[in-house]
Amino acid sequence: AQRVTQPEKLLSVFKGAPVELKCNYSYSGSPELFWYVQYSRQRLQLLLRHISRESIKGFTADLNKGETSFHLKKPFAQEEDSAMYYCALRGGSNYKLTFGKGTLLTVNP
Amino acid sequence: GAVVSQHPSWVICKSGTSVKIECRSLDFQATTMFWYRQFPKQSLMLMATSNEGSKATYEQGVEKDKFLINHASLTLSTLTVTSAHPEDSSFYICSARLSGRALSYEQYFGPGTRLTVT
Repeated sequence: AQRVTQPEKLLSVFKGAPVELKCNYSYSGSPELFWYVQYSRQRLQLLLRHISRESIKGFTADLNKGETSFHLKKPFAQEEDSAMYYCALRGGSNYKLTFGKGTLLTVNP
Repeated sequence: GAVVSQHPSWVICKSGTSVKIECRSLDFQATTMFWYRQFPKQSLMLMATSNEGSKATYEQGVEKDKFLINHASLTLSTLTVTSAHPEDSSFYICSARLSGRALSYEQYFGPGTRLTVT
């Protein structure tokens, strides 16, 4: 069984402060991990995935297989980063995604 | 590109009636579409995988006779909630995966449909 845990429902930081959204997963094989973001009144969209090892909008996430984590980080948060963030896992040969419960990030001015 | 639409965006129906929700990929073909359900302040729960030209694959605990899925073309999947009850009230979201690309991992999400059953 695959499972994604996002321990924080809410996270509030000030503009310019570092932010880290936590994600832990449970999966017996080699998973693909993703971060999706949902801005207010918008649809869910892909932010980044671990395979590409890219930085999108200043966000990065590193897959740590030892700790089974895929935390999302940004060194200097911006107000426009305020959104709902979902960590997701794809395991196996199908394309199904298992989502965490999400973390609502609020960046205060 | 890769836009997914849903219709209607919200619907209110009476208990016992059926309601159909459409999911369309507007500018690409989607062999596979997914239907999710999201309760307030909760995560997306996958209900079923919709495959063009074949039967949908339902997740454990999802009643296939209650949530009928039809994926008749490469750009359209429909979810019909039959004999709806108030507990079916929820936010239903679809996503689509680009077809023809074996390594296409990304799902493109629709804006969701808010269903309220009175």
